Amino acid sequence: DTGVSQDPRHKITKRGQNVTFRCDPISEHNRLYWYRQTLGQGPEFLTYFQNEAQLEKSRLLSDRFSAERPKGSFSTLEIQRTEQGDSAMYLCASSQARGQVVDDTQYFGPGTRLTVL
Amino acid sequence: AQKITQTQPGMFVQEKEAVTLDCTYDTSDPSYGLFWYKQPSSGEMIFLIYQGSYDQQNATEGRYSLNFQKARKSANLVISASQLGDSAMYFCAMREGAGGYNKLIFGAGTRLAVHP
Repeated sequence: DTGVSQDPRHKITKRGQNVTFRCDPISEHNRLYWYRQTLGQGPEFLTYFQNEAQLEKSRLLSDRFSAERPKGSFSTLEIQRTEQGDSAMYLCASSQARGQVVDDTQYFGPGTRLTVL
Repeated sequence: AQKITQTQPGMFVQEKEAVTLDCTYDTSDPSYGLFWYKQPSSGEMIFLIYQGSYDQQNATEGRYSLNFQKARKSANLVISASQLGDSAMYFCAMREGAGGYNKLIFGAGTRLAVHP
């Protein structure tokens, strides 16, 4: 399977704990995105990387959230001091940018469902 | 201002019939892309179809077609010959800009139920 993978698929944690999620993009893709989806809503953009550079962060990404993509391959999203409001599905997507190509389709992984008790 | 509007929280269709899921968008950027994704109960977002703002023809992918009406700012998804496996949430999304500004903005989704 050469699609986007995410680990873990489910995470249950207690309020105040730190959690870390991992995303492995499609191997030749140089762009990687994180989104958050709460129940009954569409995904909301959190942040995006081109290679190892984090180029944009949403205002949703508070200082308790940090994302990295150290070698331009996999990425991690860490949430410190989790709150109940962090409970959501965290989706990762990747795409391939080629020069001025406009069709930059994002392919999503299966998501990590976080429950904060 | 809401950028992507999906006015149908839920739709149902009989198996083998066609169904149209509505999507309207708002942007002042002349260059943008419109996407439809399917999300089954498992949670994964599955890419279905893409339409660029400068594309002259409506996009088609198998049983999926996109009815793109630029002046009305609508990008409705048409699913022909519905199958039971089409039951899922469907999201319309927009990317503004010519690929240099990349985040997708999603609508609230439409839940489609296909009845036998």
